[in-house]
Amino acid sequence: DQQVKQNSPSLSVQEGRISILNCDYTNSMFDYFLWYKKYPAEGPTFLISISSIKDKNEDGRFTVFLNKSAKHLSLHIVPSQPGDSAVYFCAASVRGAQKLVFGQGTRLTINP
Amino acid sequence: GAGVSQTPSNKVTEKGKYVELRCDPISGHTALYWYRQSLGQGPEFLIYFQGTGAADDSGLPNDRFFAVRPEGSVSTLKIQRTERGDSAVYLCASSSDRGSIEAFFGQGTRLTVV
Repeated sequence: DQQVKQNSPSLSVQEGRISILNCDYTNSMFDYFLWYKKYPAEGPTFLISISSIKDKNEDGRFTVFLNKSAKHLSLHIVPSQPGDSAVYFCAASVRGAQKLVFGQGTRLTINP
Repeated sequence: GAGVSQTPSNKVTEKGKYVELRCDPISGHTALYWYRQSLGQGPEFLIYFQGTGAADDSGLPNDRFFAVRPEGSVSTLKIQRTERGDSAVYLCASSSDRGSIEAFFGQGTRLTVV
């Protein structure tokens, strides 16, 4: 039972354009969502998060949008840079439960 | 070091053997997590420690898996009678307080059971 789903295994975007990574979840108890970025042979690195009381959170080039009614969130990266090429994981948690449920990841490639 | 350190980076073991994977969290971090990442999947939660105690071990797949954190710092994940299906990258993470879910991950230990 995959509670957090990233349906696009890969995404290729031109440098300077917008990258949009999508994530869907099924558990309505999730109230905190995070995006992690992972380079090869390294552990995941926290990127940005959003609480369920918000519908948008922005940090520099990164913006996360949350649509609770659709149980959908997305990560926007603009402008995309070659260093953004990595695997991006969406993760969710339930208040009080100190564990994350991860999606399968999306490999983002930024082409020069 | 400043980050979460995991040793060894790679471990190859024969089916049926016992293995120990070590995690050194960021100094002062009270919360420690173990996750397992299989090929093509996202990390899956195994166990969470708050201090020395396992606050949530609901992700451990069976009783062959066990983890300890005796002094509230270093943690060891122990796998008995390893099986080929245990092959994965084992990730450790730590965070600074009980309420923070934004954990810092180590680079992982790649376990291969042959």
